[in-house]
Amino acid sequence: EAQVTQNPRYLITVTGKKLTVTCSQNMNHEYMSWYRQDPGLGLRQIYYSMNVEVTDKGDVPEGYKVSRKEKRNFPLILESPSPNQTSLYFCASRKDRDMPYQETQYFGPGTRLLVL
Amino acid sequence: QKEVEQNSGPLSVPEGAIASLNCTYSDRGSQSFFWYRQYSGKSPELIMFIYSNGDKEDGRFTAQLNKASQYVSLLIRDSQPSDSATYLCAVNKGSSASKIIFGSGTRLSIRP
Repeated sequence: EAQVTQNPRYLITVTGKKLTVTCSQNMNHEYMSWYRQDPGLGLRQIYYSMNVEVTDKGDVPEGYKVSRKEKRNFPLILESPSPNQTSLYFCASRKDRDMPYQETQYFGPGTRLLVL
Repeated sequence: QKEVEQNSGPLSVPEGAIASLNCTYSDRGSQSFFWYRQYSGKSPELIMFIYSNGDKEDGRFTAQLNKASQYVSLLIRDSQPSDSATYLCAVNKGSSASKIIFGSGTRLSIRP
């Protein structure tokens, strides 16, 4: 089954304690992306990756890091989480890198993060 | 001004009627436009994409794009209770295929 998986699904942590949210896709997609979703603000792109070892900032990259060492994995790292990073996080992947792309963007199930 | 604007709703439509969802965007260089549906507590799923001016139909859904006026809309015909969800408009940023800007979504409620 084609899917994007994220772990953990729920996480409560404290300010400053480093954490990693994993994302993995089994569709051999080149493009992967991280979003955060907050009430009234919609989905905002944090980072994206066009391929292995190629990553770039989205609209809200501050406080986050990513890596793309393998095609299937795209972890999101919060080196020193703060309460304003409390949010719902989605990982997504897509086959095509270029426009106009015909394939849909598949989203993972989401990770709810609470930073105290 | 937000880059992608949607009325937050809720938009209440009787079952069987046409639901009309609107979205405006600010970047004239945008080329790709998407509508996602998101049920409460779930991840977004793509239901329509459109690149050219005019209408694109897929089943009960019709996307309409007017680049001159910088708006894109989604019509849902014969609305069903299962259509009750939040609908997200998304637009690529400029000529980039990589940067996608989402609106904050319109909550649609179909009343029986």
